[in-house]
Amino acid sequence: AQKVTQAQTEISVVEKEDVTLDCVYETRDTTYYLFWYKQPPSGELVFLIRRNSFDEQNEISGRYSWNFQKSTSSFNFTITASQVVDSAVYFCALGGSTLGRLYFGRGTQLTVWP
Amino acid sequence: DAEITQSPRHKITETGRQVTLACHQTWNHNNMFWYRQDLGHGLRLIHYSYGVQDTNKGEVSDGYSVSRSNTEDLPLTLESAASSQTSVYFCASSSDRTGGYTFGSGTRLTVV
Repeated sequence: AQKVTQAQTEISVVEKEDVTLDCVYETRDTTYYLFWYKQPPSGELVFLIRRNSFDEQNEISGRYSWNFQKSTSSFNFTITASQVVDSAVYFCALGGSTLGRLYFGRGTQLTVWP
Repeated sequence: DAEITQSPRHKITETGRQVTLACHQTWNHNNMFWYRQDLGHGLRLIHYSYGVQDTNKGEVSDGYSVSRSNTEDLPLTLESAASSQTSVYFCASSSDRTGGYTFGSGTRLTVV
């Protein structure tokens, strides 16, 4: 069965702190995709990253970084030097090789206080 | 630029009425999806389509229907709206050829 678990329901940090959002997935597929989306208070889903199961290289984009570890079925997301504008709900999602339906975690509400 | 648009953005309707939410994409994606978002549940799949004339049920399909008569559109119909269908609805489209997966801006539906 396909499943995504985001165990952290809510996280609060103070500005400039680093924060890591956890994502653990289950799949029997050998080829799959992992996604992270940001949902700010305005409600839209903002695409952050898509990672192919064959590419385990960690990725960094500005203050954002992602750690993909197939051995532990995890795809964690770290924000370095958090800012108030990072406050949002973050979703991790799992998709198959044909990019059909996505399986979403329940989301992590991140609040960054000034 | 290619895009995916949902309409209306907000809708209030009464229990028992039929409601249709529109989704239109110009990405020329074969795959289209409808998800609903509820607090504590993330996004759950309602219906999806992998091409014209193809429709499939997702995990929360009761009370909803879709039809796919062309590549661009996948309207979602609530046959008889219920208060339990108050939610935010997202349409999405994807293509395994391009690797793209795009969401619309969402429709907030309130059933009173």
